[in-house]
Formats: sequence, structure tokens, C-alpha cells
Amino acid sequence: NAGVMQNPRHLVRRRGQEARLRCSPMKGHSHVYWYRQLPEEGLKFMVYLQKENIIDESGMPKERFSAEFPKEGPSILRIQQVVRGDSAAYFCASSPSAAERAYTDTQYFGPGTRLTVL
Amino acid sequence: KQEVTQIPAALSVPEGENLVLNCSFTDSAIYNLQWFRQDPGKGLTSLLLIQSSQREQTSGRLNASLDKSSGRSTLYIAASQPGDSATYLCAVRGSTNAGKSTFGDGTTLTVKP
Repeated sequence: NAGVMQNPRHLVRRRGQEARLRCSPMKGHSHVYWYRQLPEEGLKFMVYLQKENIIDESGMPKERFSAEFPKEGPSILRIQQVVRGDSAAYFCASSPSAAERAYTDTQYFGPGTRLTVL
Repeated sequence: KQEVTQIPAALSVPEGENLVLNCSFTDSAIYNLQWFRQDPGKGLTSLLLIQSSQREQTSGRLNASLDKSSGRSTLYIAASQPGDSATYLCAVRGSTNAGKSTFGDGTTLTVKP
């Protein structure tokens, strides 16, 4: 069973460009969480999605950031018009499908995407 | 709002020492608490997961305890080795906020040979 997969692992963008980060959860998992880690800090929650639904986006910046988890395919975190302050590591985590298990089970984290904005 | 604090922020010890890392959280309504290890520029490696109904978990030289009522957890590392050098993150999974995790800023451990 492959773990959580994220790609690309490293992404370089110039200011004003768009960044698309992809996350494929573990097989059988339909809950996806995105976290951001700024240098020298812990991870900060951004958004929680289930298939075709955004459950909690309280940690997402109000502008330029969006996330989706379509019925088919990976979850996408999209950052429009990137700025230098967006440079960070972005981690995705997944949990099992059943709601009860989703919250009591461990979150499985991907290797992260390191975004550098020049 | 859940807040997680890890003390100390950095720790340097000689090889062979036993050590304790601390994690405190403000909201005791949690599903579980998880300790992770993160090497520089790398992802997260899960070390131990403690459910809210449990008091401790052990894996090899690692032992994690949880006191939910006081909002505290400790990670005990026995007989430390240079390979233990990394940042250790504590994450609390809340029962009132859709299961998202709140992380501390980590303790950076250096074990000197």
C-alpha cells in the first residue's frame, strides 16, 4: 500500500506565477488535510477536504489560495500570483474514510512539496 | 482555539543521555496526540500515537506519556544516539475542530558523539 504521495517534491516559481501542488492520499482514504510549514516553525493547518467537499478552510489565506479534492484524481492546492512569503513546505495528510476512524486514527503525511518563490 | 507549546525549543546532549521533551496543549478535548520526527528538509516520520483514553505508548527507546486533564505530554528518549538528532514535533488532534491537527513548533535535538 503506497503511502501519501505529493508532487512535485520541489517547485520553484517567480513572483506572480501560479503554483499547483498535488496530493494523492493513501488507498482507501477519503479525508485530506493540507498543512504549511514556514521556516523554523511547526506545521499550520490550512484546509480539510473530503471528496468533492471542503469541510474546513479556516486556515487558508483569504486570497490567492484554493484547494479541491475531486471525485477522481488527486487533491490540488493552488496558489495564484505567488509572493516570496509563500515560500514554505506544504504537507498533505490523509485519514481513513469512516468518520470515527478518521479522527482517532493516525494521520499519514506525505513527503511534502517545498515551494520556493524567487 | 487549541495552542500547542513545546519546551525546550532546542536541546543539546552528549551521546548516551536520557532526555525528556515536553509538549503542552490548552484544550483537553482531543482525539489523540502524536509525536513526529522531522529531519532537516525532510517530511514527517510518525513516532508514537497516543489515543485520548491512553496514558502512554512505547516503541523501542521511546516512551510517550499523556496527561489529558493537565494538557501535557512528554517524549522520553533513552540512551540517546547521534542518529536521534532531529526536530521533534508534537501534534494534537482535536475532537471539536473536524479532526485537524495542531502542531507545536518543535524541539530541535542535537546528540553529540
